[in-house]
Amino acid sequence: KNQVEQSPQSLIILEGKNCTLQCNYTVSPFSNLRWYKQDTGRGPVSLTIMTFSENTKSNGRYTATLDADTKQSSLHITASQLSDSASYICVVSLWMDSSYKLIFGSGTRLLVRP
Amino acid sequence: GAVVSQHPSWVICKSGTSVKIECRSLDFQATTMFWYRQFPKQSLMLMATSNEGSKATYEQGVEKDKFLINHASLTLSTLTVTSAHPEDSSFYICSASSRQRDYEQYFGPGTRLTVT
Repeated sequence: KNQVEQSPQSLIILEGKNCTLQCNYTVSPFSNLRWYKQDTGRGPVSLTIMTFSENTKSNGRYTATLDADTKQSSLHITASQLSDSASYICVVSLWMDSSYKLIFGSGTRLLVRP
Repeated sequence: GAVVSQHPSWVICKSGTSVKIECRSLDFQATTMFWYRQFPKQSLMLMATSNEGSKATYEQGVEKDKFLINHASLTLSTLTVTSAHPEDSSFYICSASSRQRDYEQYFGPGTRLTVT
């Protein structure tokens, strides 16, 4: 069964601290993996996208890693800011029926406190 | 990235009435549009996939007669919730993709539907 699991479900950190979010998946055939940020009441916004051959990708203070062998990914946030408070969703895509089918994780809700 | 808009951003309607939500791709022609529903503290759940000019493909458990989807042009798809009930209250998000954009899905900002 194609599944994406994320941990932790929620996380509270102090402003300026770093944190790492985890994503494990059992999706086949794997096409790519994305991390999205979703602010409350808004649509998801893409942070990073990685294919099978990519191990790490950065976007500003966000750094994603991918281990295709163990089917794990992580999202590391450096020097957190209050505006980082949001849900972070790991999404794995597979090519099916002439389009990408997205398998969503349940997300990690991050709260950054001053 | 690409820009996808939704209208309205929020709507309140009475039980039994119908409500239409629009999804537009503003700067590219979307051959495929997707409709998702998101309940509080849960992730997005795909409701249906629509290709321009074709009938939408609905996910298992989604009533096609209740959630009418029209994708009449390459820039516009609509979702009509018919005979809405309080349990239909949710956050509805669309996304758009095209071959020219490597089939990347670009998400709209969402529409909050409250049925009273």
